[in-house]
Amino acid sequence: GNSVTQMEGPVTLSEEAFLTINCTYTATGYPSLFWYVQYPGEGLQLLLKATKADDKGSNKGFEATYRKETTSFHLEKGSVQVSDSAVYFCALERGAQKLVFGQGTRLTINP
Amino acid sequence: GAGVSQTPSNKVTEKGKYVELRCDPISGHTALYWYRQSLGQGPEFLIYFQGTGAADDSGLPNDRFFAVRPEGSVSTLKIQRTERGDSAVYLCASSPLVGGAGELFFGEGSRLTVL
Repeated sequence: GNSVTQMEGPVTLSEEAFLTINCTYTATGYPSLFWYVQYPGEGLQLLLKATKADDKGSNKGFEATYRKETTSFHLEKGSVQVSDSAVYFCALERGAQKLVFGQGTRLTINP
Repeated sequence: GAGVSQTPSNKVTEKGKYVELRCDPISGHTALYWYRQSLGQGPEFLIYFQGTGAADDSGLPNDRFFAVRPEGSVSTLKIQRTERGDSAVYLCASSPLVGGAGELFFGEGSRLTVL
């Protein structure tokens, strides 16, 4: 079946550190892949997406590349800010925008 | 409003009671989704509507759960004979289209606690 496995949190970094949150998936075919973010007190919102192999999604300094060979979609940012503190969810689409989410990774950035 | 609105934001009920959770999607969005998020987990798909009809209800855990969208806009998730295991945050999302890896717009959720 379809599933997403994320790096377990919580993750705590200092401001300006490099961030990687690992995400791997199991799926039939080649689903679209997403990163959603939930800031404190807000609803989930789309951070970035990739729809086919080797696509790179990017937004707000975050990037993730769809790697078919390793079935991965790791999230990276070169220099994190305190405002990036949030919970990050990796997800795949199993048709008609029905998403399968990972368990989420809580990120805290200290000044 | 500009975003997806869910009410109530918090609901505490007793085991065995009936509960209704409401979702008001972004105006003009034809697709509407319900997800359930248990503590420490990612959201899990429950049901989605295209217009007024439930296009896929395969995620509903059992027949105590039911959802409607009678006029193709507001949706209500109904839970009968609530159990403690139903405690979770229920999320609603809407989208202007179905398919094609479009973006889902989520509400802040309704937190249900069953005592």
